Amino acid sequence: QKEVEQNSGPLSVPEGAIASLNCTYSDRGSQSFFWYRQYSGKSPELIMSIYSNGDKEDGRFTAQLNKASQYVSLLIRDSQPSDSATYLCAVNDPGGDYKLSFGAGTTVTVRA
Amino acid sequence: ETGVTQSPTHLIKTRGQQVTLRCSSQSGHNTVSWYQQALGQGPQFIFQYYREEENGRGNFPPRFSGLQFPNYSSELNVNALELDDSALYLCASSLAGGLETQYFGPGTRLLVL
Repeated sequence: QKEVEQNSGPLSVPEGAIASLNCTYSDRGSQSFFWYRQYSGKSPELIMSIYSNGDKEDGRFTAQLNKASQYVSLLIRDSQPSDSATYLCAVNDPGGDYKLSFGAGTTVTVRA
Repeated sequence: ETGVTQSPTHLIKTRGQQVTLRCSSQSGHNTVSWYQQALGQGPQFIFQYYREEENGRGNFPPRFSGLQFPNYSSELNVNALELDDSALYLCASSLAGGLETQYFGPGTRLLVL
């Protein structure tokens, strides 16, 4: 079983719609959860972090965490063409703060 | 753009050769992590360096080794290159224990023929 799994893409949404991205993780001891955005040919950039159960909002992005279900999600509201990218879910290694385990990513395309 | 730089940007090697990739961390960051990202996959953790010592290692063989220098810059060395080593190699710098402060460099794309 992979440590971090994301819903398979690609995901195509019309401009202005909500894009919903899902991620599950296998290690119940993980405490830190991150969403990265990676444009084609570029390196990942951190867009959201979440540590507690519930929702965390930052502009058009909302991260949701449910530790009991080992599930974390990202909602992108009012999607823009500039949101077209691959979104990577990352989870810390509970054995130490040093390691992030990444999912394979979900590619989002926002149609104008 | 982050303050993390990597060199070279692209590299072509043949199987069996050795390669050294370099990373300069963002000012003030004392920890460097290296990741391998194969095409269509997420980054895979190789190892981390803190205060010039290896601070953790992923599931990579010993032919992947590294160094960190007093100025916190770092090198990744790969010996006996294999075709599957073809990937984007990412360096990320951060403050110790601060995953949220982790910033990735632009990466080095390695092709092994």
